[in-house]
Amino acid sequence: DAEITQSPRHKITETGRQVTLACHQTWNHNNMFWYRQDLGHGLRLIHYSYGVQDTNKGEVSDGYSVSRSNTEDLPLTLESAASSQTSVYFCASSESGGGPETQYFGPGTRLLVL
Amino acid sequence: GEDVEQSLFLSVREGDSSVINCTYTDSSSTYLYWYKQEPGAGLQLLTYIFSNMDMKQDQRLTVLLNKKDKHLSLRIADTQTGDSAIYFCASARGSARQLTFGSGTQLTVLP
Repeated sequence: DAEITQSPRHKITETGRQVTLACHQTWNHNNMFWYRQDLGHGLRLIHYSYGVQDTNKGEVSDGYSVSRSNTEDLPLTLESAASSQTSVYFCASSESGGGPETQYFGPGTRLLVL
Repeated sequence: GEDVEQSLFLSVREGDSSVINCTYTDSSSTYLYWYKQEPGAGLQLLTYIFSNMDMKQDQRLTVLLNKKDKHLSLRIADTQTGDSAIYFCASARGSARQLTFGSGTQLTVLP
């Protein structure tokens, strides 16, 4: 069955370190998204991609970067981790083609920055 | 930008109906979605409604859309303890690729 996976599921790091969160989908979807979830804020969009070599900034992109070298993967990098980036991170993917373009979510990565 | 608002908490008794409300600001929203998040898990799509519809029913779920008031609701009939979760409302604009989420409503079902 097609799925979307994230790794690691839990991560503890120190302020200033570079951290990369992985997202892999086997749906063959063109569109991929990274969100962070914080209490009282719902999900906020960090970065998104509409295809290979395409990346775009979302609402809260400062301190984060992504790259899209193939269809299946969209890794999220925290260049220099800060305590304000402690959060739960969700990756999602959707197919282009009109209609509702339903987004399918991964299980999340819980990141703690000390 | 788009703003989506939900109340944070709702408690109901098992067997009663639950109604979760959502308001949005962008009149050009094309699709509106309801997602469910169980503890420790990602978001799971429950249902969606296209902006030219005013109601959609899917088994125990009924979605009502009032475009004039920009108000969306999700009714869960015969609520069960397994329905306890956080419910997110989300809206999409234009090509429907980007979603704006509300802050989520924590539904607690009491026995």
